[in-house]
Amino acid sequence: NAGVTQTPKFQVLKTGQSMTLQCAQDMNHEYMSWYRQDPGMGLRLIHYSVGAGITDQGEVPNGYNVSRSTTEDFPLRLLSAAPSQTSVYFCASSQGSAEQFFGPGTRLTVL
Amino acid sequence: GDSVTQMEGPVTLSEEAFLTINCTYTATGYPSLFWYVQYPGEGLQLLLKATKADDKGSNKGFEATYRKETTSFHLEKGSVQVSDSAVYFCALSDLPTGTASKLTFGTGTRLQVTL
Repeated sequence: NAGVTQTPKFQVLKTGQSMTLQCAQDMNHEYMSWYRQDPGMGLRLIHYSVGAGITDQGEVPNGYNVSRSTTEDFPLRLLSAAPSQTSVYFCASSQGSAEQFFGPGTRLTVL
Repeated sequence: GDSVTQMEGPVTLSEEAFLTINCTYTATGYPSLFWYVQYPGEGLQLLLKATKADDKGSNKGFEATYRKETTSFHLEKGSVQVSDSAVYFCALSDLPTGTASKLTFGTGTRLQVTL
């Protein structure tokens, strides 16, 4: 199993550009989530999904969209990037227990 | 709402020293508690967990005991190694065990172990 995979590993955007961060898992987990990691703030939940077709907002959802058309994939979309969205983004998945499995992260810089 | 407070880092120790990283929490109900570790350039990995009061989680020489009376889950290791250098996150889940859940994280504590 590859576990949780994320692409790209690094990305630089200009203010106002849009992009999609990809996340996929091959463990047939129902629950998937997106976090952002900022210095001194730990990880904060952006959006999460409890199954295909079901998504909900986390602690810091503004400026991000998600969809969950399949169990495997949970992309995160930035519609109009802002410098405040410069961060490291982690995708995670879990099934049946509170233990979450994390991807390797995407480091995003918005200029 | 739920919150997790960790001791400020960085923590710098010599190899074979004793490690304690403090973690306290605020939550309604009976949360599950976790320690995750992040090695340089990697994602987070579950280190250990405890799902009810007085449970002790342990893994790789690390251990932590769920103390409901002090709302704490301090991480300890008797003898650290250079390879333990990483960022350690305390986290809680406020949904019942067996249910997919959201995690609330502390801010993380960086540990550096030197020879």
